[in-house]
Amino acid sequence: GESVGLHLPTLSVQEGDNSIINCAYSNSASDYFIWYKQESGKGPQFIIDIRSNMDKRQGQRVTVLLNKTVKHLSLQIAATQPGDSAVYFCAENIRRGAQKLVFGQGTRLTINP
Amino acid sequence: DAGITQSPRHKVTETGTPVTLRCHQTENHRYMYWYRQDPGHGLRLIHYSYGVKDTDKGEVSDGYSVSRSKTEDFLLTLESATSSQTSVYFCAISGHLGETQYFGPGTRLLVL
Repeated sequence: GESVGLHLPTLSVQEGDNSIINCAYSNSASDYFIWYKQESGKGPQFIIDIRSNMDKRQGQRVTVLLNKTVKHLSLQIAATQPGDSAVYFCAENIRRGAQKLVFGQGTRLTINP
Repeated sequence: DAGITQSPRHKVTETGTPVTLRCHQTENHRYMYWYRQDPGHGLRLIHYSYGVKDTDKGEVSDGYSVSRSKTEDFLLTLESATSSQTSVYFCAISGHLGETQYFGPGTRLLVL
């Protein structure tokens, strides 16, 4: 079946450094990708999205890169802060219309002071 | 949480009892979704709705039913709760086609 996964289950970075979280997807027909952040005890929070006709999209301190050739998605967080500590999920839209998202397992990002 | 509330936020129930979880939105979004989140499985879609009285199954729909009689409310019912349905349940909404989904705060359900 279709799947979205993450290369690393945990990532630990120093405060102020840049973080890179990776995601592999398997459905070459997926046309829309989203990154979510989930803090403990809360629901997933939208961070940034990208459509398949783009390679890169930037937000505030975050950048998403899409490599369709190798079906790889990454989230870059610049100048990581303690508030960035959370689990990060990638998701792909596997069907147009009702936007059925398939989520990866998540990567836990921890920030070292 | 993008104008989404879930109730109750926590519930403990016994095996075999029916349970209904409520999702309420104030965004007037067309699409609503119910997910469950479990360690090792991530978020999995239970059911979704694409309009009032229009619903469809997700990947883990067995043992669950839904109803949507108003745009703002989407109910998830566990017909006869089992211990395997102990989980955290999230509601999500989205507007037009292709827009992102926004999630509610979740309901933590424990079935004893």
